[in-house]
Amino acid sequence: GIQVEQSPPDLILQEGANSTLRCNFSDSVNNLQWFHQNPWGQLINLFYIPSGTKQNGRLSATTVATERYSLLYISSSQTTDSGVYFCAVNSGGSNYKLTFGKGTLLTVNP
Amino acid sequence: EAGVAQSPRYKIIEKRQSVAFWCNPISGHATLYWYQQILGQGPKLLIQFQNNGVVDDSQLPKDRFSAERLKGVDSTLKIQPAKLEDSAVYLCASSLSVATDTQYFGPGTRLTVL
Repeated sequence: GIQVEQSPPDLILQEGANSTLRCNFSDSVNNLQWFHQNPWGQLINLFYIPSGTKQNGRLSATTVATERYSLLYISSSQTTDSGVYFCAVNSGGSNYKLTFGKGTLLTVNP
Repeated sequence: EAGVAQSPRYKIIEKRQSVAFWCNPISGHATLYWYQQILGQGPKLLIQFQNNGVVDDSQLPKDRFSAERLKGVDSTLKIQPAKLEDSAVYLCASSLSVATDTQYFGPGTRLTVL
């Protein structure tokens, strides 16, 4: 099946700093989503982005499908950005399951 | 628009007991998923329904896990008998109908098996 690798596994920032999270995948995808899992375990949709670039406030994401990677940018980080960020992909067929990476644990200190 | 609802939020049982989880997807979503998330890992699909039919249950431990979506709306996931390694968060998600649709996740049920 498709492989998803996320980097870095852990990231510690001071409030106000910027960061870039990376997701590499091993096959072509027709669905790629970025999630933020908050300390209570809720998976919150950030972006649906199988290709192209999107922005939502301080967050933006870019997926270069031909090179099989996606980037999540967080600018002016806040303590509420802390949590685990997951990239998840689907490579097509009748099965719509998302295959998740292992996540990036982000800690933003005040 | 209401999100995906799950209950209970937390459950503690002893090994060999049985447990059931309930999920109500977003209205109009034909596809429903159950994922298992073990601490420190990403979620892993257990079963996918399209309306009330099973599309994929290849990673569902069928000797102890079962799931149904009888009327094509809400769904239940059951474990009987539970093992220690079943301790995890069980997440329900839903999407409109096709692979390219966004999946939306519920708050999850945290199961602890003692």
